[in-house]
Amino acid sequence: DTGVSQDPRHKITKRGQNVTFRCDPISEHNRLYWYRQTLGQGPEFLTYFQNEAQLEKSRLLSDRFSAERPKGSFSTLEIQRTEQGDSAMYLCASSGGLGAGTQYFGPGTRLLVL
Amino acid sequence: GQSLEQPSEVTAVEGAIVQINCTYQTSGFYGLSWYQQHDGGAPTFLSYNALDGLEETGRFSSFLSRSDSYGYLLLQELQMKDSASYFCAVKVTGGGNKLTFGTGTQLKVEL
Repeated sequence: DTGVSQDPRHKITKRGQNVTFRCDPISEHNRLYWYRQTLGQGPEFLTYFQNEAQLEKSRLLSDRFSAERPKGSFSTLEIQRTEQGDSAMYLCASSGGLGAGTQYFGPGTRLLVL
Repeated sequence: GQSLEQPSEVTAVEGAIVQINCTYQTSGFYGLSWYQQHDGGAPTFLSYNALDGLEETGRFSSFLSRSDSYGYLLLQELQMKDSASYFCAVKVTGGGNKLTFGTGTQLKVEL
């Protein structure tokens, strides 16, 4: 068990650029979640996959955001035409047989949009 | 929607016991989770309660009362490394598989 990994750990981009983040969950976990966290707040849910199927999307997730999990293993989160308000920590989590109450988080990708 | 309330900040001395409370209002309730997050780090899972009562894991215990929509995290024998933010999070029925997090409690452990 190597834990949840995310790449890159930090990303600085200019407004209007596209960015893509990757998440590798714990290998035996079939559920994968993306959250966003800003300073002083708890993580906010963005989207959820069970295997390769995206089963839930938050209303926070505008059309500029898209996520995939093509083979039910790793996942990518893409933000198109980034805005300064997108600056946040993007967290990935996974869970297995114990269900959604027990989620294991990766180290996050800190995005700064200039 | 869901709302969770936690104290914003708690201070305690090393070796003491501290309790962090969480009250929630939800349209349905499945379980309450607790996470620890150090500055700059990722949330780390601590505990999950779906049934009423106390769950103990080492120095940490978590309690749930479904009838009172209330839970708490109890930290014993506090150590300096316990200084962190602590979040409660709810999983609700009909809410799919997401967790809704509170705004967190900043715990400061002093000598």
